[in-house]
Amino acid sequence: AQSVTQPDIHITVSEGASLELRCNYSYGATPYLFWYVQSPGQGLQLLLKYFSGDTLVQGIKGFEAEFKRSQSSFNLRKPSVHWSDAAEYFCAVGPNSGGYQKVTFGTGTKLQVIP
Amino acid sequence: GAGVSQSPSNKVTEKGKDVELRCDPISGHTALYWYRQSLGQGLEFLIYFQGNSAPDKSGLPSDRFSAERTGGSVSTLTIQRTQQEDSAVYLCASSQDSLSRLFGPGTRLTVL
Repeated sequence: AQSVTQPDIHITVSEGASLELRCNYSYGATPYLFWYVQSPGQGLQLLLKYFSGDTLVQGIKGFEAEFKRSQSSFNLRKPSVHWSDAAEYFCAVGPNSGGYQKVTFGTGTKLQVIP
Repeated sequence: GAGVSQSPSNKVTEKGKDVELRCDPISGHTALYWYRQSLGQGLEFLIYFQGNSAPDKSGLPSDRFSAERTGGSVSTLTIQRTQQEDSAVYLCASSQDSLSRLFGPGTRLTVL
């Protein structure tokens, strides 16, 4: 069965500092991987996704993530955090077989940005 | 509309009452999902609709939960005889390719 672990429940960073949110997955083959962001009072918005090819994926709002098969990880990074990045971030994994797939979400990491 | 819409945005109900939550997916999206986000929990899959196929109800936590999708568009999630543990944010999402899905803003349900 597929699963996702986000080991950090809550992270605080200073505005302008770099950010890395951790995500580890469990899946028997190469998965499809996603990062979503949920701002207060908002629904989830897709930041980026990895299906195949280049393991470094660029997303919206200056975010990127790197798929590392050897570590079963898909960590989200941003070189310089803005106050508007304060939100909850969800990593998700889905199987890469054709047809309908269930995407499994992690428990989320809440990001606080301090001035 | 431009995105997935859900109504109501907030719902407060008394234990034992029935509630209906509505989702309007993006026009043309054949797949529709319901998720539940409880405090401190990740997203819990509830039910999935794909076109005219029978829905995948494997995530529904009890027989008090049901969902319909009329005409392949609007969906209603019904919770009967609500319990306090049903309090959560209920999120709807739709997609074209069954992978990348677009989420609505959610309905925050509070059961007193």
